[in-house]
Formats: sequence, structure tokens, C-alpha cells
Amino acid sequence: AQSVAQPEDQVNVAEGNPLTVKCTYSVSGNPYLFWYVQYPNRGLQFLLKYITGDNLVKGSYGFEAEFNKSQTSFHLKKPSALVSDSALYFCAGHLSGGYQKVTFGTGTKLQVIP
Amino acid sequence: DTGVSQDPRHKITKRGQNVTFRCDPISEHNRLYWYRQTLGQGPEFLTYFQNEAQLEKSRLLSDRFSAERPKGSFSTLEIQRTEQGDSAMYLCASSFSDRSNQPQHFGDGTRLSIL
Repeated sequence: AQSVAQPEDQVNVAEGNPLTVKCTYSVSGNPYLFWYVQYPNRGLQFLLKYITGDNLVKGSYGFEAEFNKSQTSFHLKKPSALVSDSALYFCAGHLSGGYQKVTFGTGTKLQVIP
Repeated sequence: DTGVSQDPRHKITKRGQNVTFRCDPISEHNRLYWYRQTLGQGPEFLTYFQNEAQLEKSRLLSDRFSAERPKGSFSTLEIQRTEQGDSAMYLCASSFSDRSNQPQHFGDGTRLSIL
């Protein structure tokens, strides 16, 4: 069984401050992990992925994520938040190898306050 | 890259009617997925195609739901005898299957409202 959890429904951060959106996973095996962003009435846009290798993954729009195997976490981070980063963020994951169904978290709404 | 396109963007219909949605994936992508998303939730997997073959269906996909991808290109999702609970955003995604680590590319969805 596999699952992805996002413990925070909403995160508020002041513009210019660092932001963190949390994700934990439960995958029996080597996980592939992803972050997506969704703006209102739009589909999901891919931000970054962890497959293997460096635990710090850099992605689009200045976002990065840190894979931590011991804590089974894959938190999304950005050093300096922009108002335009306000959106819904989804963590997703699946097992490595062949086709594997992707499991999405319930999403975290990020609100960047000017 | 023209992206994944879905049609229509919005559909309002009365309970009991049939509806059909269309998805055009990115042309070189051989995998196509359908998801349902309700307010405050992440996408829930419905079904998956590799080329024209439907390889997996979720238990969420009742007998009233059917999906096709006849020539391995565009796909349709049909809901028969719609119910209030079918109101949701229906998302289509596609990916390339050379390696399992390829991210899925999503369309902007079809929002279905059942009156």
C-alpha cells in the first residue's frame, strides 16, 4: 500500500519570507515523489520530482524539495515567497518500476500575504 | 508542445442525462489518465490507458462510467444517467512511458455540475 499525506490544509506566509509545505509518504519500496501546483480552475502543473540521487531537488519557479528517507518526508520549500505563489499544492508519489498508479495528497493551500 | 486539452471546460446538465468529455493528450504521449477532483481534495484516479488499451480501472468507476481511447490518441469519458454525486472536476493527464519517473501533464479539466 502507498499513501501520501499533507498535514496542513493551509499555510500562510508573508511575502519575502521562506515557505515550507509539508509532505510525508508511506511507500513500501523506493518511492518516486512529485510536487504539483494548481491555480483556480486550472489543471495541475508539474514543479519537481525526486527519483534517486541528491536529496535536494530543484524545480520550477525557484521551488525546491528535500527528500528525507529517515523521516519519510518530501517537504516543498522556497527561500523567498511571492504573492503569485499563492495556490494549491499537491504532493504525489508512487513506487518505482514500470507503471505504478500515482497517489496524490489532499493538497495544501498556500497563501502569501503582501 | 500544445499541452493536454480538454473539452468542454464546463458542463451543466440535469440529473439523469448522459454526458461525454473529450481529452486530447500531448501527441507523443502514449499513456493517458482520467482523474476526478472534488473541492478540497486531491485528484482521485479513475482509469488509465497505454495506447488504446485500458489497463486499469478504479473501483470509483461505476457501471455508469465508460472511457475509450479508440486509436491511442484522444480519449472520451462518458457518464450515463448522471447523479448529483457526479458533480466534480474531471481531469485528464498524459505521460510518456519510456520510464516510470516521467511526470504526468494535466489538462485544465472539465467541471461538471449536475442540477
